[in-house]
Amino acid sequence: EAGVTQFPSHSVIEKGQTVTLRCDPISGHDNLYWYRRVMGKEIKFLLHFVKESKQDESGMPNNRFLAERTGGTYSTLKVQPAELEDSGVYFCASSQDGTDDYYGYTFGSGTRLTVV
Amino acid sequence: SQKIEQNSEALNIQEGKTATLTCNYTNYSPAYLQWYRQDPGRGPVFLLLIRENEKEKRKERLKVTFDTTLKQSLFHITASQPADSATYLCALLSGGSYIPTFGRGTSLIVHP
Repeated sequence: EAGVTQFPSHSVIEKGQTVTLRCDPISGHDNLYWYRRVMGKEIKFLLHFVKESKQDESGMPNNRFLAERTGGTYSTLKVQPAELEDSGVYFCASSQDGTDDYYGYTFGSGTRLTVV
Repeated sequence: SQKIEQNSEALNIQEGKTATLTCNYTNYSPAYLQWYRQDPGRGPVFLLLIRENEKEKRKERLKVTFDTTLKQSLFHITASQPADSATYLCALLSGGSYIPTFGRGTSLIVHP
């Protein structure tokens, strides 16, 4: 079974530009999560999709961040315009059934975003 | 505010010894506590879950304890191996929530 795939693995952009991160969850997983780790800080929740619907987006930092999951398959996270403080590693995770989530999701390897 | 503390200093131990990592929390009453392993350039990998009414959980060479009075969890790796070298994260969940709150993690280095 393929794992959670994220790309690009690294992205370096200038302040003010737009970047789109993509996450392909494990096939059949309805739940998809985005997390972010800023340098020196802990991993923090951004939002949660159930299929194509946003279940919880309480962790999204501001309206420069837009997440979509068309068709309930892959998801994109767009940052527009990017700011320096958006630099960090963005992780995606997926799970099949919310009731199993206590046993941990499957995380992707992350996208390291650097805004210069 | 809720706070999860893990030792920021790396833990260096000799192969074969038992590694013990600590997770302390304040202003939190978690129903569940998770431990993850994270290798450089990779996402966290779930290891163990322990519930608030459980004192101890074991899985192969891993043992987790959960003391809700002390607000502390201990994570033990017995007979440690160099391959166990990684960062270990603890994460807390409230009842009814599937969104864990992560600690910053502690780096473990096992020397051959």
